[in-house]
Parts: sequence; structure tokens; C-alpha cells
Amino acid sequence: KQEVTQIPAALSVPEGENLVLNCSFTDSAIYNLQWFRQDPGKGLTSLLLIQSSQREQTSGRLNASLDKSSGRSTLYIAASQPGDSATYLCAVRPLSGGGADGLTFGKGTHLIIQP
Amino acid sequence: KAGVTQTPRYLIKTRGQQVTLSCSPISGHRSVSWYQQTPGQGLQFLFEYFSETQRNKGNFPGRFSGRQFSNSRSEMNVSTLELGDSALYLCASSLSGANYGYTFGSGTRLTVV
Repeated sequence: KQEVTQIPAALSVPEGENLVLNCSFTDSAIYNLQWFRQDPGKGLTSLLLIQSSQREQTSGRLNASLDKSSGRSTLYIAASQPGDSATYLCAVRPLSGGGADGLTFGKGTHLIIQP
Repeated sequence: KAGVTQTPRYLIKTRGQQVTLSCSPISGHRSVSWYQQTPGQGLQFLFEYFSETQRNKGNFPGRFSGRQFSNSRSEMNVSTLELGDSALYLCASSLSGANYGYTFGSGTRLTVV
């Protein structure tokens, strides 16, 4: 059974710092990995989607990497801002079920950027 | 381009009642999936629909059901509500094909009292 773990569970840093969020998964048989952010009481906003054949994706100040063989992904946030404060979730889409088994999520990293 | 729309945003129901939640996917997205989010269990997969057919279901009791209409809109139903069903229910849509990512709606917050 696929398990996704995110470390750390919570992180508080001063504004302007660069930071790395970690995600690990137990089964490398995946189609892709997706990073989301969630603001309190809200839905999920997709940040980056990395296909299993890709090594990284970039969007603005965000860069996500994927090492499928070791079951790891990182989300790098450059020059953090208070508006980046949110919970960041990592999710994998398993190959099982032809992709219809849904996403398996980690529990998230709760990030606070101090002004 | 409109996003994924979920209605209602909030619901309060009494134990034993049933509830129906609605989801309208992004235009052109034929795949719709549902997730339950609770503080203890996090996000858990409920089911996925494609072209009006349920493709898979997560580990939830039969009280949880869903359907998809010909216009790709989807509903999920929970019968005989229990206190533990209180959660944020999220719907996501995707283009057909496993290589596409999901776009989520804002969710329906269900409180069972």
C-alpha cells in the first residue's frame, strides 16, 4: 500500500529565507507527483505537477524535484513571503488501477512565514 | 475559465439524515474524483468517475455513494450520517488520461450534529 510522508510537519521561518519541504513515498510505481497548497478552510491549489519521467518542474519561485527510484520529492521555495504561509501537500498518482485509484496524499507541512 | 464548483459550501445535518453534495468540473474535464479531509486522517480518496462510470472506490462504507451525469457533473451522497462523517469534502476534476493533474474545488464543509 502506497504511503506518503512529509517532513517537517510544521515549519516557521523569517521572511526572505529559502526553504525546502520534503516528501517521500514507498512505492515508485507512480504516474506523477503533484504539489498543492491549502489555505485554512479552503480547497487545494495545484502548484506543480511532475511526471514520473521528469526530474523537476519550476514555476516562479517554486521548484519541485522528483527522484522516483528513491521515492523522494522536494519543493524548494525561494525568497519566502508571508503570503506563502499555508499547508503544503504532496500527492502521488499510483500506476495501479490505470490511474483510477486516486491520489495518495501526505499529511502536509504547515508553513508559517514570519514578517 | 471557470474552476471546479462545489455546492453547497457549508452544511449542517443531524445524525441519521442523508446528504447530497454537488460538483461541477472544469469544462472539458470528464474525470471527477471525491476526497474526504479530516484532521485525523488527512485526505482520503472516496471514488473516481469517468464518463458516468465509477472507476474505483476507496475504503469507505457503502453509505458513501456517488454518480456522474452525462455533462460530467457529479454528486456524492452519504446516507445515515454519523458524527464521524463531519469533514471537508473535496471534488477534483481532470482531463482524461493518467498523466494529467487534478484541479480541486473549494470543498463542502459538512458538520454532523
